[in-house]
Amino acid sequence: AQTVTQSQPEMSVQEAETVTLSCTYDTSENNYYLFWYKQPPSRQMILVIRQEAYKQQNATENRFSVNFQKAAKSFSLKISDSQLGDTAMYFCAFMKRAAGGTSYGKLTFGQGTILTVHP
Amino acid sequence: GAVVSQHPSRVICKSGTSVKIECRSLDFQATTMFWYRQFPKQSLMLMATSNEGSKATYEQGVEKDKFLINHASLTLSTLTVTSAHPEDSSFYICSARGASGRGDTQYFGPGTRLTVL
Repeated sequence: AQTVTQSQPEMSVQEAETVTLSCTYDTSENNYYLFWYKQPPSRQMILVIRQEAYKQQNATENRFSVNFQKAAKSFSLKISDSQLGDTAMYFCAFMKRAAGGTSYGKLTFGQGTILTVHP
Repeated sequence: GAVVSQHPSRVICKSGTSVKIECRSLDFQATTMFWYRQFPKQSLMLMATSNEGSKATYEQGVEKDKFLINHASLTLSTLTVTSAHPEDSSFYICSARGASGRGDTQYFGPGTRLTVL
């Protein structure tokens, strides 16, 4: 079974600064995806970024980027130029993929990190 | 694209009654839908996975006779909480995953807050 660990229950950052959220995972799978979702106060889950394990290049989406270290099983999220709208709970998630196929597993979530951006 | 809706957004019911929550994929066909439960400031707990036209697969510890799931079409799944009790009060979230092109990502509905009096 897979496990996902987010060791930072809460973090805070000043507007316009950079913050990094940590995530580690444990798996024996070789084909998988990693995700970061954000859940703002509205509680709508929003996909932030996605990484396919076979890709060495770190995924980026505008101000959001990841540092994917497959050997270390680490998947951190960096938010640059933090904005007040980034205030949310952030979840790291793991999903395995059947080798060579289109069969996907279910998401395993970490405990979440509450990020507060201060003006 | 990839919009998932849930209805209702909030529901209050009396203990012993049943409540149905709908989850719809609005702009794609969802071959698989998932139902989660979330308590305040906690992570999402997967309750069950449903594939269109087949019986749902429940996670360990989830009572399938209490949480009835139906996935009758490629755009609609329903969760019925039967004989609801105060301990069933929670935030319920659905997600949907499509076929090729959208099969590797789950898209989430806005959630339903259930309060059982």
